[in-house]
Amino acid sequence: EAGVAQSPRYKIIEKRQSVAFWCNPISGHATLYWYQQILGQGPKLLIQFQNNGVVDDSQLPKDRFSAERLKGVDSTLKIQPAKLEDSAVYLCASSLRGQVGETQYFGPGTRLLVL
Amino acid sequence: AQSVTQPDIHITVSEGASLELRCNYSYGATPYLFWYVQSPGQGLQLLLKYFSGDTLVQGIKGFEAEFKRSQSSFNLRKPSVHWSDAAEYFCAVVFMKTSYDKVIFGPGTSLSVIP
Repeated sequence: EAGVAQSPRYKIIEKRQSVAFWCNPISGHATLYWYQQILGQGPKLLIQFQNNGVVDDSQLPKDRFSAERLKGVDSTLKIQPAKLEDSAVYLCASSLRGQVGETQYFGPGTRLLVL
Repeated sequence: AQSVTQPDIHITVSEGASLELRCNYSYGATPYLFWYVQSPGQGLQLLLKYFSGDTLVQGIKGFEAEFKRSQSSFNLRKPSVHWSDAAEYFCAVVFMKTSYDKVIFGPGTSLSVIP
């Protein structure tokens, strides 16, 4: 079974530029998560989708971050404009139904450096 | 407010020695508890999880964890550490909200293994 795919793996941009990350979850998984992991910290949930609907985006900085999952499969996370403090690893995860305690499967992440 | 703490930022052990990584949480009820491992350049991998029942949980790679309600703790243990166990370890807790579940990761403990 193929795992969660993410691209690009690395991205370097200057502040105020825009950037987009892509995630393809495990086939058949209804729930998709985007996390931000700043160096030295644990992952922080940015947004959770159930199919193509948003379940939780309470920690998403909506003035600059946006995410979509139009067909309930793959997803994109965008930052516009980027700030220095957005430098982090962006992790995508998926789970089968999003039920309590269900195992989340993580992708390798996209490492973003904002200069 | 709900929170997860991992008191040890970094731990160094000798290969073959035993290991215990600490995790404490703050919550009014019993949450769902997880331990993940993150190797360099890799995504997070689930080691084990606890929902209810036996408070000693067995996981993959020879790890186990014990839930202690009185101490609000879920410490991870391994009787004999291998060099390949060097990685970042994250405790995660799922808190039940009214319409969805919120996952919070601890800050992580970095494990180094001396040959």
